[in-house]
Amino acid sequence: GIQVEQSPPDLILQEGANSTLRCNFSDSVNNLQWFHQNPWGQLINLFYIPSGTKQNGRLSATTVATERYSLLYISSSQTTDSGVYFCAVEASGTYKYIFGTGTRLKVLA
Amino acid sequence: NAGVTQTPKFRILKIGQSMTLQCTQDMNHNYMYWYRQDPGMGLKLIYYSVGAGITDKGEVPNGYNVSRSTTEDFPLRLELAAPSQTSVYFCASSHDRVAFFGQGTRLTVV
Repeated sequence: GIQVEQSPPDLILQEGANSTLRCNFSDSVNNLQWFHQNPWGQLINLFYIPSGTKQNGRLSATTVATERYSLLYISSSQTTDSGVYFCAVEASGTYKYIFGTGTRLKVLA
Repeated sequence: NAGVTQTPKFRILKIGQSMTLQCTQDMNHNYMYWYRQDPGMGLKLIYYSVGAGITDKGEVPNGYNVSRSTTEDFPLRLELAAPSQTSVYFCASSHDRVAFFGQGTRLTVV
């Protein structure tokens, strides 16, 4: 099946710093989403981005489907950005969303 | 509009017991999913459904069963609980490929 790897696995930032999180996938995909899991375990949908670029406030995401990767940019990070960021992909020809390994982010005040 | 609702939120089971994790959504979504998340790990797909009466296995289906008799409900059944099934279970539904998750059920098997 499709493999989804995220990097870096862990990231510590000072408040106000910028960061880039990466998601690589091993096969062609129909769809890709980015999620934030907050410290209470709740999963929040950030972006639905099978291709192209989207922005929402301090967050933006880019997916280059032909090269099989997606990037999540966080600018001017805040302590509330802490948690785990997951990408999830729907492999072509399936209806299954497969999650990546996650990036654990901690933003220090 | 409650979204995706899971019950119970917490449960402790003894080895060999059975239970059903409930999941219901009020958004009329056709696609529904069950995932498990072990401590410090990502989410693994257990089962999914593309509509009432249709279910299929995900990455880690062993030890679980599902049914989908209605669009709204997608219960997950554990028949013989084992310590390896200690995990947090998430249900999700999707529309136009955008997924929405429930709050999770924390299950401990002792």
